[in-house]
Amino acid sequence: DTVLTQSPALAVSPGERVTISCRASESVSTLMHWYRQKPGQQPTLLIYLASNLESGVPARFSGSGSGTDFTLTIDPVEADDTATYYCQQSWNDPPTFGGGTKLELK
Amino acid sequence: EVQLVETGGGLVQPGRSLKLSCVVSGFTFNKYWMSWTRQAPGKGLEWVASITNSGGSTYYPDSVKGRFTISRDNTQNTLYLQMNSLRSEDTATYYCTSRDSGGWFAYWGQGTLVTVSS
Repeated sequence: DTVLTQSPALAVSPGERVTISCRASESVSTLMHWYRQKPGQQPTLLIYLASNLESGVPARFSGSGSGTDFTLTIDPVEADDTATYYCQQSWNDPPTFGGGTKLELK
Repeated sequence: EVQLVETGGGLVQPGRSLKLSCVVSGFTFNKYWMSWTRQAPGKGLEWVASITNSGGSTYYPDSVKGRFTISRDNTQNTLYLQMNSLRSEDTATYYCTSRDSGGWFAYWGQGTLVTVSS
């Protein structure tokens, strides 16, 4: 299975720019997607196919990458962005998720 | 408004069975593949099963293959997950999700908690 590795946690101040990384154990082309899960809620889709913004998601969110290295950027970060962020690949079977990056606001 | 509403979770003993349901509204159900994804308490996300829009093909990871069965009723806009021979490691919140052609999960339900314990 394709293993996706994310940093466990980040802490930033409101108004700053934050990048969340996801590294795949093998190439996933651009079939990488990003989700946000606020405490006590279900995940919601932010970015699909590495860089496409899901409808209704603020333009503060952007994604980039291909192959094995991907990045989710939030600029600027807002207090409401406190959440865990997951990457997910769909190039290789089975689809797999990263372990999540917990974003905390200072 | 898109809604996915899961029901059927609860406390079940190891080795027993449970069937989850997910009623969908707000999008054309029979045009989408559908999936179940789970999340153990305090843990990350794990894909559990997918089914094609017609219901003709199903897919599972090794962790549940042979124990879980995904199915759908396109006349009722309903997705199911039959879970047999349940184990303690199946304890999780189970989410019903849509699956787009590129493999991402656009819509998620609120989840239903399954607890496997004696």
